[in-house]
Amino acid sequence: DAKTTQPPSMDCAEGRAANLPCNHSTISGNEYVYWYRQIHSQGPQYIIHGLKNNETNEMASLIITEDRKSSTLILPHATLRDTAVYYCIVRGTGGGADGLTFGKGTHLIIQP
Amino acid sequence: NAGVMQNPRHLVRRRGQEARLRCSPMKGHSHVYWYRQLPEEGLKFMVYLQKENIIDESGMPKERFSAEFPKEGPSILRIQQVVRGDSAAYFCASSPSHRDNYGYTFGSGTRLTVV
Repeated sequence: DAKTTQPPSMDCAEGRAANLPCNHSTISGNEYVYWYRQIHSQGPQYIIHGLKNNETNEMASLIITEDRKSSTLILPHATLRDTAVYYCIVRGTGGGADGLTFGKGTHLIIQP
Repeated sequence: NAGVMQNPRHLVRRRGQEARLRCSPMKGHSHVYWYRQLPEEGLKFMVYLQKENIIDESGMPKERFSAEFPKEGPSILRIQQVVRGDSAAYFCASSPSHRDNYGYTFGSGTRLTVV
């Protein structure tokens, strides 16, 4: 799996959009970008994933650059409950036995 | 759909005892993954199982740890002769297919404390 680089921490004001960046410059053509988050003491929660096109669901939007070397997760209206560690993971679907590999992620703190 | 169920939520064991952690995947999911999270650290992959088979155990410690996913019943992560360093949160995840790109659904974890 390709490696990812994320800032260790970020602050965002409640009600504003939270934009979390992720660099994955060694991503290969068949590897998807996944985002998960882990709220304190809970299990990780799937947020969104994408391959090439931008994606949106009820939780967030995922913007992937044209060269696919980086992406941004957008939480459009952050709330205090969005405070969590956010993980950006790249993983191919072509096979291989290894599971998702979690890095250190970004600790997003939503300020009231 | 009850989601991924892990039990117990909290488990206390004395050094040298055995710990058994159970994971019931989501209905229809035949792929199970176990992860360990040490205090103040990230999630580390341990083992990937598909019904009755261990597919990848590259993240499992060589000794004292074992996992199974029988044809009937939950997946079990077993730790023999626990030591203080085994104290951690153990998370289980499931998916309908390893190639599926929907991602994994995680359980709430089992917090193991070794005293």
